[in-house]
Amino acid sequence: AQSVTQPDIHITVSEGASLELRCNYSYGATPYLFWYVQSPGQGLQLLLKYFSGDTLVQGIKGFEAEFKRSQSSFNLRKPSVHWSDAAEYFCAVDQSQGNLIFGKGTKLSVKP
Amino acid sequence: DAGITQSPRHKVTETGTPVTLRCHQTENHRYMYWYRQDPGHGLRLIHYSYGVKDTDKGEVSDGYSVSRSKTEDFLLTLESATSSQTSVYFCAISAGNQETQYFGPGTRLLVL
Repeated sequence: AQSVTQPDIHITVSEGASLELRCNYSYGATPYLFWYVQSPGQGLQLLLKYFSGDTLVQGIKGFEAEFKRSQSSFNLRKPSVHWSDAAEYFCAVDQSQGNLIFGKGTKLSVKP
Repeated sequence: DAGITQSPRHKVTETGTPVTLRCHQTENHRYMYWYRQDPGHGLRLIHYSYGVKDTDKGEVSDGYSVSRSKTEDFLLTLESATSSQTSVYFCAISAGNQETQYFGPGTRLLVL
């Protein structure tokens, strides 16, 4: 069965520092991959997606992610974190019929 | 932002009572989804619809039913609510199979 693993439940970084959130997936075919962000009490907002083509994808708010088939990974990165980036981040893989399988999320805290 | 509304936004109910949550979209998207979000579990798919009167089960469908009589509305019904159904429920829409899903603001349900 398809699965998504986000190994880090909670990460704290200092404002201005770089960020990498890890995501590993298990999926037999070419995956459709997504990163969503959720601020407290809010719905999910799409940060970026990978369907095919260039393995480095750019998203909103200065985020990017790199698809590495050999490592079954789709890690999210940002070169300089802002306090407003504090939120929970979810990686997801799309099965057939658009059934998204989500990871359990990584909560990001930002230190001033 | 995608035109998705959910009602009610908050509900408290008692065990054994029926509950219906509504998702309304103004995007004319074909696909609609219901997820539940619980701490430590990320989001899990309950049911989805791929057209009017066309629905299918997701990962955690037991105890839930859905209906879609119009393109714009997707209803989730808990026939007899249980405390284990206390959760935050999110509706999502997408234009097609394996296309980006856009999420509504969520409904917070407490079953006492």
